[in-house]
Amino acid sequence: DTAVSQTPKYLVTQMGNDKSIKCEQNLGHDTMYWYKQDSKKFLKIMFSYNNKELIINETVPNRFSPKSPDKAHLNLHINSLELGDSAVYFCASSQWLAQSSGNTIYFGEGSWLTVV
Amino acid sequence: RKEVEQDPGPFNVPEGATVAFNCTYSNSASQSFFWYRQDCRKEPKLLMSVYSSGNEDGRFTAQLNRASQYISLLIRDSKLSDSATYLCVVNEVGLQAGNMLTFGGGTRLMVKP
Repeated sequence: DTAVSQTPKYLVTQMGNDKSIKCEQNLGHDTMYWYKQDSKKFLKIMFSYNNKELIINETVPNRFSPKSPDKAHLNLHINSLELGDSAVYFCASSQWLAQSSGNTIYFGEGSWLTVV
Repeated sequence: RKEVEQDPGPFNVPEGATVAFNCTYSNSASQSFFWYRQDCRKEPKLLMSVYSSGNEDGRFTAQLNRASQYISLLIRDSKLSDSATYLCVVNEVGLQAGNMLTFGGGTRLMVKP
């Protein structure tokens, strides 16, 4: 069973379109994330949700809107797609931790978005 | 200045070689540290955590120097299967708590027969 699954894996779409990427985790985690990995391979956090509540919202255009219907799901909707949105988007999950020791984050396989 | 800096490589080494990667981080308040491995067109996966006392997992040894804000990963007896990108990761636990991982750009390793 895939721990963190996201769909679609590949998405090619035209500029100006609206698209969604879905993510589900079956690890029982209470925190989910969206990361973006650009062409230079830097992974940057976009959003973090804990128990369906938005915790981290980095400087991301408001064309990107995450939605968490429950703890196990975190979807990403993107409006008016632009060429610069082409990247790999990784969903991830972990347990919430308010300590210094950190915790393992598990990533989905990624969604390759190409805007043409 | 990048928050987590790594030499992007690639490091091309023969099988059996020992190779070391370094990483520096800018936030002195960073709390925990990790090495992740990312294969081509795959997701990052945790390789090992990095503790102040240093830690070893088989052929892999990780070291942390908080004073210098420096993390290292040593791979002994390199295998072809070690070829991947190694990501230095820093967890900045703060007011927001939870996991605010900051990733370095990765160091690419290519192990040749």
